[in-house]
Amino acid sequence: AQSVTQLDSQVPVFEEAPVELRCNYSSSVSVYLFWYVQYPNQGLQLLLKYLSGSTLVESINGFEAEFNKSQTSFHLRKPSVHISDTAEYFCAVRLGGGADGLTFGKGTHLIIQP
Amino acid sequence: DGGITQSPKYLFRKEGQNVTLSCEQNLNHDAMYWYRQDPGQGLRLIYYSQIVNDFQKGDIAEGYSVSREKKESFPLTVTSAQKNPTAFYLCASSIGGRTGELFFGEGSRLTVL
Repeated sequence: AQSVTQLDSQVPVFEEAPVELRCNYSSSVSVYLFWYVQYPNQGLQLLLKYLSGSTLVESINGFEAEFNKSQTSFHLRKPSVHISDTAEYFCAVRLGGGADGLTFGKGTHLIIQP
Repeated sequence: DGGITQSPKYLFRKEGQNVTLSCEQNLNHDAMYWYRQDPGQGLRLIYYSQIVNDFQKGDIAEGYSVSREKKESFPLTVTSAQKNPTAFYLCASSIGGRTGELFFGEGSRLTVL
């Protein structure tokens, strides 16, 4: 069975500083990888996804993530954060061919300090 | 606008009562899912359905039941057998297939008193 590990439950960072949220997965088969963002008392919104092709994927609001097969990682980065980026971020994996939805990590709370 | 509607957003119930959470989608998606979210626990899959009149148990199905009589609807019943029902419940849907991402509703927060 696959699993997803988000190593940091909470990441505080100053506004305009860079940030990296770490995600590692365990699976011996091909996977599809996702990052979702959740604002308080709301549902999850897709931030970006890796299905195939280029290992570096980008979102429209400046986030990017790189799929590293050898390290089984899919870390999320942003070069300069804004106060509005304060939210919970979830990494998720779907097995190639899997029909039973996504497996989620426990989430990382990104806290932007002014 | 297309999307997923969950209702109610907040719900309070007494211990021992069954509760049904509504989930409706107008995205014409085949697959629908129910997740439970607890602080620090991430999302855990309760039930999912790939097609009308068919559904499968997820990782934490005990104490829950679902139905899928229509493509656009996937209600979740939290029964009195669920030992710790207080949580945030999220419904999602996807086009189906191997790579489809999930689209989520706004969630329903259930508090059992």
